Amino acid sequence: DAGVIQSPRHEVTEMGQEVTLRCKPISGHDYLFWYRQTMMRGLELLIYFNNNVPIDDSGMPEDRFSAKMPNASFSTLKIQPSEPRDSAVYFCASAPAGPANQPQHFGDGTRLSIL
Amino acid sequence: DQQVKQNSPSLSVQEGRISILNCDYTNSMFDYFLWYKKYPAEGPTFLISISSIKDKNEDGRFTVFLNKSAKHLSLHIVPSQPGDSAVYFCAATDSGYSTLTFGKGTMLLVSP
Repeated sequence: DAGVIQSPRHEVTEMGQEVTLRCKPISGHDYLFWYRQTMMRGLELLIYFNNNVPIDDSGMPEDRFSAKMPNASFSTLKIQPSEPRDSAVYFCASAPAGPANQPQHFGDGTRLSIL
Repeated sequence: DQQVKQNSPSLSVQEGRISILNCDYTNSMFDYFLWYKKYPAEGPTFLISISSIKDKNEDGRFTVFLNKSAKHLSLHIVPSQPGDSAVYFCAATDSGYSTLTFGKGTMLLVSP
């Protein structure tokens, strides 16, 4: 079975540019999560979706960040305009429906560098 | 305010010995706990979990212990193997919700 697929694996861009990160969750999973990992703050939840609907976006740092899930097999996280402090590894994870303690399955992440 | 704390950034252990990774939490609403393992350039992978109705859960070489009164859990790996070298994240949730709160991780190095 294919796991969570993220693209690109690496992104280097200049400050002010728009960045789009992509995620394909595991088929049949109802929950999709976007995380950001930094040395200072560890793994932080940015936003999560249930059945393509955003449920909690309180972790999104500011209005420059937006996320969409147009269908059950695709989600994007967009940063516009990007800033150097956005440099981090961004992970997407998905989980099946059921009790909230279902383990989340993570993609391999996108390493983002903003120059 | 960190609700899940892993106070040891790193741990070094010799092959064959026991590795003990610790995790503390502050939110008394947390009732389900998970450990994830992460290799470089990969995403975290689920390792083992424990519900607050238990104080121990075992899976092969991995055992997680939960002390609710101390708000403390630990992951024991016996015997440790070089392939166990990775970053280990502790995570917690209130089972009424779907979100996980992660610690910052402990890097385990198992030397031959």
